Amino acid sequence: KAGVTQTPRYLIKTRGQQVTLSCSPISGHRSVSWYQQTPGQGLQFLFEYFSETQRNKGNFPGRFSGRQFSNSRSEMNVSTLELGDSALYLCASSRGRQAGDTEAFFGQGTRLTVV
Amino acid sequence: QKEVEQNSGPLSVPEGAIASLNCTYSDRGSQSFFWYRQYSGKSPELIMFIYSNGDKEDGRFTAQLNKASQYVSLLIRDSQPSDSATYLCAGVTGFQKLVFGTGTRLLVSP
Repeated sequence: KAGVTQTPRYLIKTRGQQVTLSCSPISGHRSVSWYQQTPGQGLQFLFEYFSETQRNKGNFPGRFSGRQFSNSRSEMNVSTLELGDSALYLCASSRGRQAGDTEAFFGQGTRLTVV
Repeated sequence: QKEVEQNSGPLSVPEGAIASLNCTYSDRGSQSFFWYRQYSGKSPELIMFIYSNGDKEDGRFTAQLNKASQYVSLLIRDSQPSDSATYLCAGVTGFQKLVFGTGTRLLVSP
């Protein structure tokens, strides 16, 4: 069974640009969550989608947005990139309708570097 | 106050010893807790989850939950150098968000 797939694995962007990251969940999983991981802050919750609806959102500025498609694949977008957006962006998928109903499995992440 | 707190470590234990990793949480509405292991440069992988008060054992790992004290722990018996990693505690808040602690770095020396 294929795991969670995130693309691309690595990205280098310049300040002011925008970026789109993609996540394909495990087959049969309908919930997708996104996290930002930095050395100082750890894993910070960005948002969660279930059946194409954003179910929850973390404390990030509006430059961070996401969506989920009917096949459960999800994308997140960051506009007007800042140096502080450099981080590992992780996507996790789970079967459950609610967070914590079932285990969440992570993809390998996208390492974003903003220069 | 962070919703899930962990000591960043590092926690150093000799091979074969018991490693005890601790986590506290602030939201009394939290019901589900997860322990993830993350090797350097890799993504987190699930080790265990626990929903009920008490202990849950899986091989060398035991998760403990005390809802009255708002405390979760992970015990690793017979620690091996390959257990050296960062261990992340996560809890589902009353707002249905999976919130992570910053992780505890474990070093197991041969």
